[in-house]
Amino acid sequence: AQSVTQLGSHVSVSEGALVLLRCNYSSSVPPYLFWYVQYPNQGLQLLLKYTTGATLVKGINGFEAEFKKSETSFHLTKPSAHMSDAAEYFCAVSDLGYSSASKIIFGSGTRLSIRP
Amino acid sequence: GAVVSQHPSRVICKSGTSVKIECRSLDFQATTMFWYRQFPKQSLMLMATSNEGSKATYEQGVEKDKFLINHASLTLSTLTVTSAHPEDSSFYICSARPRADTEAFFGQGTRLTVV
Repeated sequence: AQSVTQLGSHVSVSEGALVLLRCNYSSSVPPYLFWYVQYPNQGLQLLLKYTTGATLVKGINGFEAEFKKSETSFHLTKPSAHMSDAAEYFCAVSDLGYSSASKIIFGSGTRLSIRP
Repeated sequence: GAVVSQHPSRVICKSGTSVKIECRSLDFQATTMFWYRQFPKQSLMLMATSNEGSKATYEQGVEKDKFLINHASLTLSTLTVTSAHPEDSSFYICSARPRADTEAFFGQGTRLTVV
């Protein structure tokens, strides 16, 4: 079984400040991990993903995340927040590749607000 | 990148009627499609997984007879909400996956309002 926990349903930072969105996962097999962004009334856009290899993953819009197996974490960061980053962010875990029946399980989401 | 088109983006229907939502993979063949439901300010809840040519696998608690899923081809899956009621009002999102070892791509979602 797999699960995802996102700490903090709402994070507010000032424009230009560091963004840190926390995600911890649980998985019985080596996980595939994802961060998605959702703007109001829209679908999900993939920010970045970790499958295998390098544990520091760079994504779009200046975001990056680091897979830490020992901490079962996959926190999302961005050095300098921009107003356009305000959105809902979802961390997700999957046993992708292990089974044709594999699913993607989402965390509860974190709403990111940017203060001018 | 891979594109998934979901239609309609918004639909309003009367209580007791049925409504169909389409999910199409435009530039790839999707062996698996997923249907999610999202309540306001909440996460995505997986409703069912469908593989082309076979019956959908529903998550626990999801009514199969109310949410009919058909995955007739490698590029099209449909979700039909039958005998809709106001409590079925929600945001429905589909995603499509080319292979088991690839990521899934998401549609833009459908806002269903049952009046």
